[in-house]
Amino acid sequence: GNSVTQMEGPVTLSEEAFLTINCTYTATGYPSLFWYVQYPGEGLQLLLKATKADDKGSNKGFEATYRKETTSFHLEKGSVQVSDSAVYFCALSPNNAGNMLTFGGGTRLMVKP
Amino acid sequence: DTAVSQTPKYLVTQMGNDKSIKCEQNLGHDTMYWYKQDSKKFLKIMFSYNNKELIINETVPNRFSPKSPDKAHLNLHINSLELGDSAVYFCASSQGGGGYEQYFGPGTRLTVT
Repeated sequence: GNSVTQMEGPVTLSEEAFLTINCTYTATGYPSLFWYVQYPGEGLQLLLKATKADDKGSNKGFEATYRKETTSFHLEKGSVQVSDSAVYFCALSPNNAGNMLTFGGGTRLMVKP
Repeated sequence: DTAVSQTPKYLVTQMGNDKSIKCEQNLGHDTMYWYKQDSKKFLKIMFSYNNKELIINETVPNRFSPKSPDKAHLNLHINSLELGDSAVYFCASSQGGGGYEQYFGPGTRLTVT
């Protein structure tokens, strides 16, 4: 079956530090990959996505590249802000009609001023 | 305008009761979903539904059932509630199958006592 593994948190960084959150996946075929972000007390919002190998998704200074050879989709940001504090979820979709997302366990990011 | 809305936001009930959570989307999407988020933030797909097909995660107890009165609504009915059903339930919608972004509602926190 499909699965997503991401680094456990919490990850605590100072403002303007570099962020990496690792994500690896197991899936048959060629899934689409996503990063979602959940701010406290809210639902999930799409942060970025990539639908095929070597695609790079980017948004709000965050980036992730779909690496088929290493089955990875690591999230990076060059300079984090306090407002980036949230829980980040890596997810995959198998590109079939059901489109049911499989999520990783989530990584809590805390950014201190 | 809220894209995906859920009611109620909080639901406290006793074991053995039957309850429903409502979900509405005004995005014109044709596929809707229910997810369960447990106390450790782990997210699991429960159902994927469009007007042609219902896909059920095989691990979901048959006490849970989705009901769709029309394309814009997907309600979640839960019979004989158990303590382990306590969680946050998220509704989501998307335009179509794999690779499409899913838009999430704000969540319903269910507490079973």
